[in-house]
Amino acid sequence: DIQMTQSPSSLSASVGDRVTITCQASQDISNYLNWYQQKPGKAPKLLIYDASNLETGVPSRFSGSGSGTDFTFTISSLQPEDIATYYCQQYDNSYTFGQGTKLEIK
Amino acid sequence: QVQLVESGGGVVQPGGSLRLSCAASGFTFSSYGMHWVRQAPGKGLEWVAFIRYDGSNKYYADSVKGRFTISRDNSKNTLYLQMNSLRAEDTAVYYCAKDRKAAAGKLQLYAFDIWGQGTMVTVSS
Repeated sequence: DIQMTQSPSSLSASVGDRVTITCQASQDISNYLNWYQQKPGKAPKLLIYDASNLETGVPSRFSGSGSGTDFTFTISSLQPEDIATYYCQQYDNSYTFGQGTKLEIK
Repeated sequence: QVQLVESGGGVVQPGGSLRLSCAASGFTFSSYGMHWVRQAPGKGLEWVAFIRYDGSNKYYADSVKGRFTISRDNSKNTLYLQMNSLRAEDTAVYYCAKDRKAAAGKLQLYAFDIWGQGTMVTVSS
């Protein structure tokens, strides 16, 4: 099974900050990596697919990069509405989610 | 608009059974692979099961294999999850989710672009 390790597990940042979350796969997954946002009490929402493609309707301050085993998710300028937990997900072989990164406003 | 609505959750005793449903609307249900994903209270996301657009192939997480069965009725635009031999560790919110791309040819995996609101399953005596 492919394991996904996200870091950090929690993060506190100020409005306007650049925020970066990393996700590492236990083996090469090419670019089969997605990023989801989940707000409290809500279903997850797809933000980035295939490592770097922005889902339709998602603000351009969100971006993703990486391939192989190391991936990065970035919010270029943090907004108050971005407070949520973020998950990476591999889909190279079955599906595995990272453990999540809880993002809070400082 | 594209929508998924789960139902069927509730409280069940250990060893019991429950069937979840997911009603789809706003897209051609019969063209898309569908999933169940769960989230235990205060925990992360766990993929549970996948069914191809035509029901020809089904895949399960090891944690539910042999106990859960995913199925679909394309004439009713509905996805199901039959859960048997339930355990305390199956307690979670269960979400249905849709593949981002319509199926074509050989099996391919995709991101999940539309999710339902979730239905809570509690396994407790």
